[in-house]
Parts: sequence; structure tokens; C-alpha cells
Amino acid sequence: QQQVKQSPQSLIVQKGGISIINCAYENTAFDYFPWYQQFPGKGPALLIAIRPDVSEKKEGRFTISFNKSAKQFSLHIMDSQPGDSATYFCAVDNFGNEKLTFGTGTRLTIIP
Amino acid sequence: GAGVSQSPSNKVTEKGKDVELRCDPISGHTALYWYRQSLGQGLEFLIYFQGNSAPDKSGLPSDRFSAERTGGSVSTLTIQRTQQEDSAVYLCASSQRGGNQPQHFGDGTRLSIL
Repeated sequence: QQQVKQSPQSLIVQKGGISIINCAYENTAFDYFPWYQQFPGKGPALLIAIRPDVSEKKEGRFTISFNKSAKQFSLHIMDSQPGDSATYFCAVDNFGNEKLTFGTGTRLTIIP
Repeated sequence: GAGVSQSPSNKVTEKGKDVELRCDPISGHTALYWYRQSLGQGLEFLIYFQGNSAPDKSGLPSDRFSAERTGGSVSTLTIQRTQQEDSAVYLCASSQRGGNQPQHFGDGTRLSIL
């Protein structure tokens, strides 16, 4: 049973464009929704995270949009740059569960 | 180094051998996690430590897998009688206290079973 579904599997965006990655979850007990960025040969690094008491969080070019009723959240990368080319993972957690459940990842490629 | 350190970075071994993977968490982080990442897959939770105790071992795939943590710091993941399906990248993460605190990952150990 997949607790979080991530799409698309891969994404190609032109430099300067907006990259959008989506995740959907089932368990309404989840209350923490981080996004991780992973470069080849490296471990995932926390990019941005949101809790369900807000609908949007922005940090620089990265924004999380959260729709509690639809049980969906998405990552938007504005003004996408070649250096953003990486694999992105959404994850879910609930306080006290002490482990992250990850989506299957999106390989993002930014082309000039 | 201030980050999570894992060793070895790469390990190649023959089927049936035992392997030990090591994780040095960030100093002061009481929570430690092991995950497994198979080729092209997401990360799969294996085990969680709070201090030296492991309250959640639910992700360990079989009794060939075990882990321990000593001194509230270094952790070792042991795989006995390795199988080819054990080939993956094993990632360690640590966080302050746990409970939705950000998890900081090491760069992993790439394990290949011949």
C-alpha cells in the first residue's frame, strides 16, 4: 500500500520556467510534509517543509502548496535553473511516528 | 565535519557474506534513522533509534538485518548472509529528538552483492 503517490516520474523544464511536482496522500493523520532534493551520489537534503495549518510556504524560488481537503501538496520551483536538475522526493510524517514515508521521486531536468 | 558520516561509501561483497555499515550522526542528535534506496526507487524506512533504543524496527526486511547504536552516537547496520536483492544504497539520517525535526542524511553506502 503506497501511502504517498508522487508525479510525474520525470520532468523536463526549460530554464526560467516553473517546475511543478505533485504528491497525494491518504492518511489524514499526517501532519508534516517535507520535500527533499537529491543529487547523484549524495544523500537527500531537506529543501522545504510545511505543516497543515498553512496552505502555502515560500522560501526563495521554492514554494509548497498544500490542499488539506484534497490531501495533496505540491512543490513549485520558480525561474528554474540548470543547477536545480536533481531528483526530488516528497515525504509525509505524523508527530510521534518518527519515520518519513517517501514518494517514489521525480527526476527533474532543466534545459537551457 | 558537521554532517552525517557513513562508511564505507562503497562495498562490494559476495553473496552469503556478512556486511557491516557504519553511521556517525551529527553531534548532539539523539534520533537516528536507517533507510534503504534501491535503484530508481524512493527511500524505504528500516529502523529508528532514540538514544540507544530502537522503538521502531518495523522496516527491517528480514531477520538477516540488525542494527545497534552505542553511546547514543555511532550506529551499525549489519546484514548477515547477504543476498543479491540486498543490493541498494543504505542511507543514515539523524535529527534532534525526533518528532518532525528535520532529518539530515549522509551520502550513503552503496552496497553491491555479487
